[in-house]
Amino acid sequence: AQTVTQSQPEMSVQEAETVTLSCTYDTSESDYYLFWYKQPPSRQMILVIRQEAYKQQNATENRFSVNFQKAAKSFSLKISDSQLGDAAMYFCAYRAGYSTLTFGKGTMLLVSP
Amino acid sequence: EAQVTQNPRYLITVTGKKLTVTCSQNMNHEYMSWYRQDPGLGLRQIYYSMNVEVTDKGDVPEGYKVSRKEKRNFPLILESPSPNQTSLYFCASSPSGRGATNYGYTFGSGTRLTVV
Repeated sequence: AQTVTQSQPEMSVQEAETVTLSCTYDTSESDYYLFWYKQPPSRQMILVIRQEAYKQQNATENRFSVNFQKAAKSFSLKISDSQLGDAAMYFCAYRAGYSTLTFGKGTMLLVSP
Repeated sequence: EAQVTQNPRYLITVTGKKLTVTCSQNMNHEYMSWYRQDPGLGLRQIYYSMNVEVTDKGDVPEGYKVSRKEKRNFPLILESPSPNQTSLYFCASSPSGRGATNYGYTFGSGTRLTVV
């Protein structure tokens, strides 16, 4: 079974600084997608960024980028120029084929002025 | 607007009183799923449905029932709720078939359930 591990229950960053959230996963599949979701206090699940395993180029969405290391099964999220509105719970997730979206346990990001 | 609608948003109930949380999507998605979210445990799948009349258990199905009589609706039923089912519940949907893997899911706004 696929597993997704987020080893940092909580991270802190100051406004305008950069922070990296870690995620590792375990799979025997060769083709799959990885996702980062943001859950602010409103509890809405918001898709931040996605990465296809076959693409070597790391995905980027404005201030959010990933470092995808397929051989190491690592998928970290980098947030640049952090803003107060980035404070949220972040979930890493994995999906292969038509299967379930499997989530990590989440990392709470705290942003201080 | 494309969305997944869950109701109610908040619910407090007593042990043993049957309840239903409704979920409806307007995107013609084949795949629908229910998750529960608990502190320190992330989101865990309860049940999912690949299409009408096709449902299957997820990781934590005990104490829950689902049905998929129409493509747009996927209600979650707790026949005899217990305090350990106090949680935040999410319904989600996705297309299926080739090319759907990259979609991720569209989530509802969540239902905060408290069983006393």
